[in-house]
Amino acid sequence: GAVVSQHPSRVICKSGTSVKIECRSLDFQATTMFWYRQFPKQSLMLMATSNEGSKATYEQGVEKDKFLINHASLTLSTLTVTSAHPEDSSFYICSADRGTGGAGNQPQHFGDGTRLSIL
Amino acid sequence: EDKVVQSPLSLVVHEGDTVTLNCSYEVTNFRSLLWYKQEKKAPTFLFMLTSSGIEKKSGRLSSILDKKELSSILNITATQTGDSAIYLCAVGNAGNNRKLIWGLGTSLAVNP
Repeated sequence: GAVVSQHPSRVICKSGTSVKIECRSLDFQATTMFWYRQFPKQSLMLMATSNEGSKATYEQGVEKDKFLINHASLTLSTLTVTSAHPEDSSFYICSADRGTGGAGNQPQHFGDGTRLSIL
Repeated sequence: EDKVVQSPLSLVVHEGDTVTLNCSYEVTNFRSLLWYKQEKKAPTFLFMLTSSGIEKKSGRLSSILDKKELSSILNITATQTGDSAIYLCAVGNAGNNRKLIWGLGTSLAVNP
């Protein structure tokens, strides 16, 4: 089955630090990956759609300069939280699917998530 | 505006009980409906449903889609404590953005 790997699983750092999170598709090529944020006891909130070789598409209200997304290859997307502050503490999850057509023709598979804690 | 509504929001049962979780949607140009299970980490995929009336089954879990009623149910029979999790429903439309619209989830607690 499809496997998505996300690293690191947990980050604790000081305010002002930039943090990079990697998302890799291990057994398939992903032209599109998705980055989500999840607060405790809440559902997934899509932050942006990461497109290989082009700019990411951000959801309304998500700061592009704060959350930098790079999708330089068909198997790797990175999310960098720049100058992180305590309010950026959250659970960040990436996903990818094999689909090349409309949403949902292939299921999204998720990485294990990154729990980010900014002190 | 597209939306996905899950019910109940939370549920507490005893081991051995059967539970039915509901997901209803209002999505333009529906493509498919997906169920995920989330424990402590990220969601794991359970089912993807595209055709109405065809049940998908995996062990004690099963799911079916009703396009006429714009809804789906997820059944879990003979529940076990390991079934305790948040069950998420998501719907995709056939547009080009490939985003999924997510419900808020149903939190299931199975007590021994």
